[in-house]
Amino acid sequence: GQNIDQPTEMTATEGAIVQINCTYQTSGFNGLFWYQQHAGEAPTFLSYNVLDGLEEKGRFSSFLSRSKGYSYLLLKELQMKDSASYLCAVIDSNYQLIWGAGTKLIIKP
Amino acid sequence: IAGITQAPTSQILAAGRRMTLRCTQDMRHNAMYWYRQDLGLGLRLIHYSNTAGTTGKGEVPDGYSVSRANTDDFPLTLASAVPSQTSVYFCASSGTTNTGELFFGEGSRLTVL
Repeated sequence: GQNIDQPTEMTATEGAIVQINCTYQTSGFNGLFWYQQHAGEAPTFLSYNVLDGLEEKGRFSSFLSRSKGYSYLLLKELQMKDSASYLCAVIDSNYQLIWGAGTKLIIKP
Repeated sequence: IAGITQAPTSQILAAGRRMTLRCTQDMRHNAMYWYRQDLGLGLRLIHYSNTAGTTGKGEVPDGYSVSRANTDDFPLTLASAVPSQTSVYFCASSGTTNTGELFFGEGSRLTVL
C-alpha cells in the first residue's frame, strides 16, 4: 500500500529552527508538496519539490531525496503565527495525490 | 468572489437526509476536487473532475456523488447522510491536472446525527 509518514506533533520555541520530516512509500513519484494549515482553516501551498535537493523560500526551505523516499520542511526564525499543521503530499505514478496525516507544530514563547 | 467559495460553512444534518455542498471557483481552473478531512487522517479524495463534463471516483466515493456541468461549479451530494460522513469537507481546484498547486475553499463542517 501507499504510505506517507510524518510525526503527529512537534513543539518548538519562538525564534528557533524546526525540521519536520516526511517519509513516503508510494507507487512511483512525480513530485512532493508541503502545505500549511492553520486550525479551522484551509490548507495553503508552501512548496513543491520534484528534483533532489533544497528549495529555499524565505524562512521556509524544503528538501527532497527521492532515493531515500524522504523530505523535510525547515522553518527558521520561528514566529507564533507558524503554529499550524504541516501536510506532506506525494504525487504517485498515476498522478494521484497521496496525503500524510499532517504534523501539528506548537510554538512556545 | 475570489478563489473558491464553499457553502454552507457549517451544517448539522439528520441521518437519512439529502445534502448538497456547493463549490464555486472563479479562477477558470480545469481540475476540481472534493476531499474530506478527519482527525488523525490525511485528506482523502472523494471525487474529482479534470474538466467540465467529466468526473471520477477518488479513494472514498461511496455515499457521495458529484456533477460538473460547467467550469466554475462542482457540487457534492450526499444522497442519504450517515453519521460516518461527519467530517470537514474541502473543495479544491488546480490549473493543471494532478501536478499543479491546489487552491482550497474554506471548508464545510458537516455533522450527521
